[in-house]
Amino acid sequence: QVQLVESGGGVVLPGTSLRLSCTASGFSFSDYPMHWVRQAPDKGLEWVAVLSYDGSDEFYADSVKGRFTISRDNSKKTLYLQMNSLKPDDTAVYYCARDPGPPGTLLWLLAFDIWGQGTMVTVSS
Amino acid sequence: FELTQPPSVSVSPGQTARISCSGDGLPKQFAYWYQVKPGQAPVMVVFKDTERPSGIPDRISGSSLGATVTLTITGVRAEDEADYYCQSAFTNDSYVVFGGGTKLTVL
Repeated sequence: QVQLVESGGGVVLPGTSLRLSCTASGFSFSDYPMHWVRQAPDKGLEWVAVLSYDGSDEFYADSVKGRFTISRDNSKKTLYLQMNSLKPDDTAVYYCARDPGPPGTLLWLLAFDIWGQGTMVTVSS
Repeated sequence: FELTQPPSVSVSPGQTARISCSGDGLPKQFAYWYQVKPGQAPVMVVFKDTERPSGIPDRISGSSLGATVTLTITGVRAEDEADYYCQSAFTNDSYVVFGGGTKLTVL
């Protein structure tokens, strides 16, 4: 079945780095733009970043620009989020999500039709 | 561009729940709705204002009028208790926005 599974979360110190992974199954991963979305404890959803199906185009929320990098390995059906210079405000459940835009194009909808269950990242001293 | 939702809505089983989402950009951009339950993967329940993704029951529907979109759940069941978020985007600017979320309580 169509599935996204995140991994790599944990407890880290402020200023350190962490890399999240998201492995896809049940659909043609290489055809779809992919996103990271996060939810801080007792807060709402916040979009983090998007990457085009071929990795050629990427955009970030202002809150993470310059610190986070989204990337993908289509041969491994895996999406990544490299998080550097982490702050306590980055504490959240991080979800990967598929964009339902036309497959194999750069026309993303910036919406999320398939989500993973999330991985928790805690930034604390 | 902000999206405004009521923090909470409460209904009894079998009744109809309506959750609104308002924003100046909504007449120009599509809206989407998501159901979020603790410990579970979020689920898209409405696509492009009014469409239902595959597997979503027809008692869940979306509507749009001017700067407000509405999620309607008829015949509410205990399993519908969840947080619901509206979302929209300006694709040309790659700008994504979520509403603050509405907690639906089934009494």
